[in-house]
Amino acid sequence: SQQGEEDPQALSIQEGENATMNCSYKTSINNLQWYRQNSGRGLVHLILIRSNEREKHSGRLRVTLDTSKKSSSLLITASRAADTASYFCATDSGGYNDMRFGAGTRLTVKP
Amino acid sequence: NAGVMQNPRHLVRRRGQEARLRCSPMKGHSHVYWYRQLPEEGLKFMVYLQKENIIDESGMPKERFSAEFPKEGPSILRIQQVVRGDSAAYFCASSPTIGQGSNFNEQFFGPGTRLTVL
Repeated sequence: SQQGEEDPQALSIQEGENATMNCSYKTSINNLQWYRQNSGRGLVHLILIRSNEREKHSGRLRVTLDTSKKSSSLLITASRAADTASYFCATDSGGYNDMRFGAGTRLTVKP
Repeated sequence: NAGVMQNPRHLVRRRGQEARLRCSPMKGHSHVYWYRQLPEEGLKFMVYLQKENIIDESGMPKERFSAEFPKEGPSILRIQQVVRGDSAAYFCASSPTIGQGSNFNEQFFGPGTRLTVL
């Protein structure tokens, strides 16, 4: 089964609202990363949070990590139509080849 | 600084033909990774290369798939005798040379090549 599993699978909100996406994983991790993928495009790296960090901010993005629950959340505040994309979490255990991606959350922000 | 470049963006092949996918990493990056994304699924690791070396191909199917990253030029993912099940998006990512302060798992992805096998 996939290591990172996002939920919900799809999320639709109005512009200006906040969007929260969750990611759960099964085994111990070194890092957890969030990526965005616009339709037909490559993945864009958003933020990396290490296992000893609990929260990280980058612009309108806020990521939390709870290693006891093996979960992370990505919050996008004051969403914009341009935030419409799929969002993936990826975990690794410190190895170069063990990044595991979930199936992603499709976010739609309606103008 | 140009990002990771992949070409072609779309590739259509008939069963039995060969598919060659190219990836040029970001400037200064010497590590290349290939991933495959099937519809409605997450990315799956295929192979990790450094210049002229395959470091890990544990995610590559044993037959028909090969990858290289020559001293000069892009990395190539080659699929021989394609079958319909090879239809997917193939993404390449690169990361900086491992050094103090760098995190080789911070990978920068290309736009992907969508392979369709008829």
